Amino acid sequence: QKEVEQNSGPLSVPEGAIASLNCTYSDRGSQSFFWYRQYSGKSPELIMSIYSNGDKEDGRFTAQLNKASQYVSLLIRDSQPSDSATYLCAVIPPRGGGNKLTFGTGTQLKVEL
Amino acid sequence: NAGVTQTPKFRILKIGQSMTLQCTQDMNHNYMYWYRQDPGMGLKLIYYSVGAGITDKGEVPNGYNVSRSTTEDFPLRLELAAPSQTSVYFCASSYSATSSYEQYFGPGTRLTVT
Repeated sequence: QKEVEQNSGPLSVPEGAIASLNCTYSDRGSQSFFWYRQYSGKSPELIMSIYSNGDKEDGRFTAQLNKASQYVSLLIRDSQPSDSATYLCAVIPPRGGGNKLTFGTGTQLKVEL
Repeated sequence: NAGVTQTPKFRILKIGQSMTLQCTQDMNHNYMYWYRQDPGMGLKLIYYSVGAGITDKGEVPNGYNVSRSTTEDFPLRLELAAPSQTSVYFCASSYSATSSYEQYFGPGTRLTVT
């Protein structure tokens, strides 16, 4: 079982719709969760972090965390063509130090006109 | 602030050559990281450092070395380059003294070994 799993996609949504990106993780003790956006040929850009169960909203982005189900999601409201990118889920597992991130392989999002 | 900077942007190496990838951050972050990203794959941690003079291995350290003599700089050394080291390399940094553990990435170095 992979430590962090994401559907590779592509996930296609029409412009203006809600895009829902999902991520599951295997280490139940994980406490810190992140969503990064990566445009083709560019570096990952942090868009959301979440540490507690529930929802966290920032503009058009909402991160949702359910530790009991070991599930974290990212909702993008009013999706725009500029949101087309690969979204990486990352987790800090409880073991070891250095706040090391474990990444999923990413979900490719395509927002269509 | 420039954030995290990396040089070079691109490099082609021949098998067996060596090189150093440079990484510098100006955010006074104490934690720094090196990742590699292969096509269609997630990022894999190569080495990390929790402060000057302290480094440790990540998930895929073989074929690489690092040093951390200052807070700002965290160079990655490739010795005896192999085709399997063809990848995009990202440096990242974070600040451990706050309760957030967010990592910020540099623009990357695209390395081809032929």
